[in-house]
Amino acid sequence: AQKVTQAQTEISVVEKEDVTLDCVYETRDTTYYLFWYKQPPSGELVFLIRRNSFDEQNEISGRYSWNFQKSTSSFNFTITASQVVDSAVYFCALSVNQGGKLIFGQGTELSVKP
Amino acid sequence: SAVISQKPSRDICQRGTSLTIQCQVDSQVTMMFWYRQQPGQSLTLIATANQGSEATYESGFVIDKFPISRPNLTFSTLTVSNMSPEDSSIYLCSVEYARGYGYTFGSGTRLTVV
Repeated sequence: AQKVTQAQTEISVVEKEDVTLDCVYETRDTTYYLFWYKQPPSGELVFLIRRNSFDEQNEISGRYSWNFQKSTSSFNFTITASQVVDSAVYFCALSVNQGGKLIFGQGTELSVKP
Repeated sequence: SAVISQKPSRDICQRGTSLTIQCQVDSQVTMMFWYRQQPGQSLTLIATANQGSEATYESGFVIDKFPISRPNLTFSTLTVSNMSPEDSSIYLCSVEYARGYGYTFGSGTRLTVV
């Protein structure tokens, strides 16, 4: 069975702090895909990144970076110099089939205070 | 990439009634997914809808409660039947927006049952 765990339910930081959101996944499949989504208070889901199991390169996109480590089954997300607009719930998700369903973690609610 | 139009965006319904949610995609897609997000919770897959065949439901969800139609490759509906306050949730549809790349979500339907 597949599972995604986001152990941090809520995180609160002050603007300009760096923050890391943890994601640990479980699957026996050798091919799988990992995702991060942002859900602002308005409710829509915003796609942030997709990573497949054969690509362990870390990725940086502006203030966002992702650290994928198969050895620890983790796919952590770091926001550098956080801003108030980063306040949202962030979901990590797993898919074991290309085009298949997503299995979501419980989400981490990030609050960035001015 | 695919763009999804989901409606209604929100509704308040009386218990015992039914609500049909529609998702229209601007391109042809093989599979569409319907998720439920209960208040303060993560997303849970209700069912996968393929065109021309019956939807595949996840454990805990049944066709009598959540009938799904998929008449063509760009459209699907989810009906929440005989509603109770426990059905108050956000319902989202999703498609794989580019083959092997990622998933896009509709803007969600925020349902309140009173």
